[in-house]
Amino acid sequence: DAKTTQPPSMDCAEGRAANLPCNHSTISGNEYVYWYRQIHSQGPQYIIHGLKNNETNEMASLIITEDRKSSTLILPHATLRDTAVYYCIVETTSYDKVIFGPGTSLSVIP
Amino acid sequence: DTAVSQTPKYLVTQMGNDKSIKCEQNLGHDTMYWYKQDSKKFLKIMFSYNNKELIINETVPNRFSPKSPDKAHLNLHINSLELGDSAVYFCASSQEYGGQETQYFGPGTRLLVL
Repeated sequence: DAKTTQPPSMDCAEGRAANLPCNHSTISGNEYVYWYRQIHSQGPQYIIHGLKNNETNEMASLIITEDRKSSTLILPHATLRDTAVYYCIVETTSYDKVIFGPGTSLSVIP
Repeated sequence: DTAVSQTPKYLVTQMGNDKSIKCEQNLGHDTMYWYKQDSKKFLKIMFSYNNKELIINETVPNRFSPKSPDKAHLNLHINSLELGDSAVYFCASSQEYGGQETQYFGPGTRLLVL
């Protein structure tokens, strides 16, 4: 089973910030938090990752709590093209049993 | 150009047949993967292949076998196809093997076993 829990679905108004939460209460000290998204009928796409500190790139920001048991992906100005399933996963140095899913289905509404 | 490509995009076949799915990456990456996405949208890793080292998820039946002719290709062979094999299969690659590597995914192959 996945080591993360996410709400199954969320709505966000176009132009507003989308805040997607993820719980990973059993995360270990050497595990990174990764976010991917999957637009309908396409392969997953990398968004951002982090270990302890907050991270920002051209796509999104990642806020990780101090205890590292949860994180939030922020899309600052959601567009219709951001409608997708968003996966939060924790990764160690081994991919033996990496599981994505089922993620949060984000609908950006005009 | 597509970074990670898969063929075919769709595959419909009968139970008991043997089929292959091809994957190619032009990113110069050292590691490639195969994932299976089931009907509930869980994406589970099947294989990792790095510098000729194969790491297998032990839950994968031995009817599935990856074959890598070179670093840029990792093909998936499936023998004696079963109904439960129907799923979307994704190939991915990363620069190196490990938990700090971003993976790049192909578009997926939709397999339907009748």
